Amino acid sequence: KNEVEQSPQNLTAQEGEFITINCSYSVGISALHWLQQHPGGGIVSLFMLSSGKKKHGRLIATINIQEKHSSLHITASHPRDSAVYICAVYLYNTDKLIFGTGTRLQVFP
Amino acid sequence: DGGITQSPKYLFRKEGQNVTLSCEQNLNHDAMYWYRQDPGQGLRLIYYSQIVNDFQKGDIAEGYSVSREKKESFPLTVTSAQKNPTAFYLCASSRVGALLRETQYFGPGTRLLVL
Repeated sequence: KNEVEQSPQNLTAQEGEFITINCSYSVGISALHWLQQHPGGGIVSLFMLSSGKKKHGRLIATINIQEKHSSLHITASHPRDSAVYICAVYLYNTDKLIFGTGTRLQVFP
Repeated sequence: DGGITQSPKYLFRKEGQNVTLSCEQNLNHDAMYWYRQDPGQGLRLIYYSQIVNDFQKGDIAEGYSVSREKKESFPLTVTSAQKNPTAFYLCASSRVGALLRETQYFGPGTRLLVL
């Protein structure tokens, strides 16, 4: 079993829909990263959080440390949101980042 | 503009050949990382460096080598000992090592293909 699990693996949506991507982890962590990988391969960091909730534009990330779960929400989705979204966790008390396998999102007009 | 550059975008390797992937950053970051991405798998750490002239092996270092002679540069050599080198390689950097939970910034990647 992977230490970081994402669901769903693939997600399709119509423009305007509310999107939720989930990340569960089984290890102790000090922080969690949400990353966006574009079709060309480049990766952009969206959020890093260790508690509570963060919001940037139409993106919202939440984390529940007790339940070892994080969610990434996209409100009013747009075709330009189509990408792979990757969850990664910093293993507690180490300098190691463990990555999930990603969720591929396609938003159709 | 500050950022991370990787070159080349595509690289072809012949059997028994060593190839070197370039990674340069002008963010003044101390730490740099090399990851490998394969289809259906999460990124895996090959090597990382938290300071000039020092680097540590990651989870899949066999068949790879690195150097860190300058703060801005962290080249990765894929040696002939790496039997399955076809993958997408990503370089990243951060202000300090991840123990202090600094955001990692990624380069655009290099796709390595074996002829």
